[in-house]
Amino acid sequence: DIVMTQSPLSLPVTPGEPASISCRSSQSLLQSTGYNYLDWYVQKPGQSPQLLIYLGSYRASGVPDRFSGSGSGTDFTLKISRVEAEDVGVYYCMQGPQTSITFGQGTRLEIK
Amino acid sequence: EVQLVESGGGLVQPGGSLRLSCAASGFTFSSYWLTWVRQAPGKGLEWVANIKEDGSEKYYVDSVRGRFTVSRDNAKKSLYLQMNSLRAEDTGLYYCAKIRSGYDYPSGHWYFYYLDVWGKGTTVTVSS
Repeated sequence: DIVMTQSPLSLPVTPGEPASISCRSSQSLLQSTGYNYLDWYVQKPGQSPQLLIYLGSYRASGVPDRFSGSGSGTDFTLKISRVEAEDVGVYYCMQGPQTSITFGQGTRLEIK
Repeated sequence: EVQLVESGGGLVQPGGSLRLSCAASGFTFSSYWLTWVRQAPGKGLEWVANIKEDGSEKYYVDSVRGRFTVSRDNAKKSLYLQMNSLRAEDTGLYYCAKIRSGYDYPSGHWYFYYLDVWGKGTTVTVSS
């Protein structure tokens, strides 16, 4: 199975400042289709997870453009250009080229 | 409105069984892979099982294989998870989710693009 490793696991951020979360996979997520099968989800307090970014860099519908995803192969990054109070939650990466899905450990973003 | 609603959770003793259900609405149920994802108290997300649109392919995380069975009834637009021989470590919130996927004919491989609809979850507690 593909192992997903996120860093940092805790991320205190001042509102208005940028934030960055790293996700590394034990195998390449770039497939022969040309896509990287890597998603980002956020789980806000008391809520179900929701999709932020899919296929490495595509923003899901309704996701603010301050969120961006980048990377290829085994190294991926989620960036928030200017953190807002509503961004508090736990961020997870997830791989999808295998039928056995795996998630990263999660990164808890908190407001300073 | 596209929706998934889980039910069937509860308190069960170690070694016992539970059957979770997930009722879908607002989309063509039989056209999508579906998945169960769980979350132990205070912990991260863990994938549990996937099932193909027609139920012909099923995949499980190693820790539940042989104890859990995923199934679906496309006529009833429902997904199920039969959980047997339950252990304390199976305690958690169980989510069902809809998978957006694609089949690559050259490679003969299914790819999962993303999980775009999640339910609110149902809680399973395994304790004596």
